[in-house]
Amino acid sequence: NAGVTQTPKFQVLKTGQSMTLQCAQDMNHEYMSWYRQDPGMGLRLIHYSVGAGITDQGEVPNGYNVSRSTTEDFPLRLLSAAPSQTSVYFCASGRQGSGANVLTFGAGSRLTVL
Amino acid sequence: EDKVVQSPLSLVVHEGDTVTLNCSYEVTNFRSLLWYKQEKKAPTFLFMLTSSGIEKKSGRLSSILDKKELFSILNITATQTGDSAIYLCALQGGSEKLVFGKGTKLTVNP
Repeated sequence: NAGVTQTPKFQVLKTGQSMTLQCAQDMNHEYMSWYRQDPGMGLRLIHYSVGAGITDQGEVPNGYNVSRSTTEDFPLRLLSAAPSQTSVYFCASGRQGSGANVLTFGAGSRLTVL
Repeated sequence: EDKVVQSPLSLVVHEGDTVTLNCSYEVTNFRSLLWYKQEKKAPTFLFMLTSSGIEKKSGRLSSILDKKELFSILNITATQTGDSAIYLCALQGGSEKLVFGKGTKLTVNP
């Protein structure tokens, strides 16, 4: 049981380049989300999805796109990277419903934009 | 908009001390409050507090929720160096998303 798998673990980009951070989960979780973590800022929600075909914006969505074509995958796209997007990115998934959403996190992807 | 404020932002203690971490929140429709521990990598789940479960305990860690005053505390007794981590508080309101606070960085010195 792999849980939540993120790739790549590390990436260096130049300003203006595009890339996709991949996230896959094998727990059949309906809910998936992307957070970024910067020093002293905690985890800030970028985008989230409550099921295939459904996505919504979080606190800091600008500069990022997402899609959810399957239950398992939730890729995060940077169309034109900027130095302000240098951060550690975490994908997380969880079951939704009447109970609380206890998230399972991936190991993180460290992105540097030069 | 749902909001989480944690205090202090950082804390340095000696092994054996007891620490209290604070989390206050604003929410329209409360569903749950969660505590996570983050060491070098991904956050790991500690506790979930809801309207039907306002106190949790696991070993030296315990947490309570005060829904009237809108805060939660995380207590760690007899701290050890392995408790050094960032402790994150997260709030779930009316939607499925979790909103996190900035975290408290705890350093436990031998």
